[in-house]
Amino acid sequence: DVKVTQSSRYLVKRTGEKVFLECVQDMDHENMFWYRQDPGLGLRLIYFSYDVKMKEKGDIPEGYSVSREKKERFSLILESASTNQTSMYLCASSFGPRDSTEAFFGQGTRLTVV
Amino acid sequence: AQKITQTQPGMFVQEKEAVTLDCTYDTSDQSYGLFWYKQPSSGEMIFLIYQGSYDEQNATEGRYSLNFQKARKSANLVISASQLGDSAMYFCAMREGLGGYQKVTFGTGTKLQVIP
Repeated sequence: DVKVTQSSRYLVKRTGEKVFLECVQDMDHENMFWYRQDPGLGLRLIYFSYDVKMKEKGDIPEGYSVSREKKERFSLILESASTNQTSMYLCASSFGPRDSTEAFFGQGTRLTVV
Repeated sequence: AQKITQTQPGMFVQEKEAVTLDCTYDTSDQSYGLFWYKQPSSGEMIFLIYQGSYDEQNATEGRYSLNFQKARKSANLVISASQLGDSAMYFCAMREGLGGYQKVTFGTGTKLQVIP
């Protein structure tokens, strides 16, 4: 079974802190994604990566950065956390060469910035 | 501009009835894919069904079928014989890009409630 693991289920951080959200997948997937999910707004794509060290901005990259130094790990970084970044964050991965493959999701990290 | 539009924030359906969840999309790619996911209250994302832009037949998976109308850019999910366990959020998603490069965007979702 594909497993996508996010390092924390719940996280509380202070405004201005640098925050790292970690995501690891064990199926050698090329593609990895970070989304945030807010009520009424669905899942919005923050960043995605299609290979090691390759990253692309999604629809809402402002205030975030990412790192992909190893194929299995994709980190989301909040450089200076703000209260409007309080949200549920979902990581996903998918197999690159097959276009029909679905994305597999982690369990989510509920981040609260106070 | 919104790439994936789901115009029904919430819907009710009677148990054992069929229901259609709407999804329209916008892309200039010739090759793309459309997905539907279910998210129950537990929060996990469950893949339901996939339709490729070049697939001539509508996709089906058990009680789920995807009504794909390419000219209208719509990819509606049809759930037949609704069950109480179908109560959940449903998200439509689109994959753009080919091969290794894949960008997957989601709609705002539809909350489906099945009434006994």
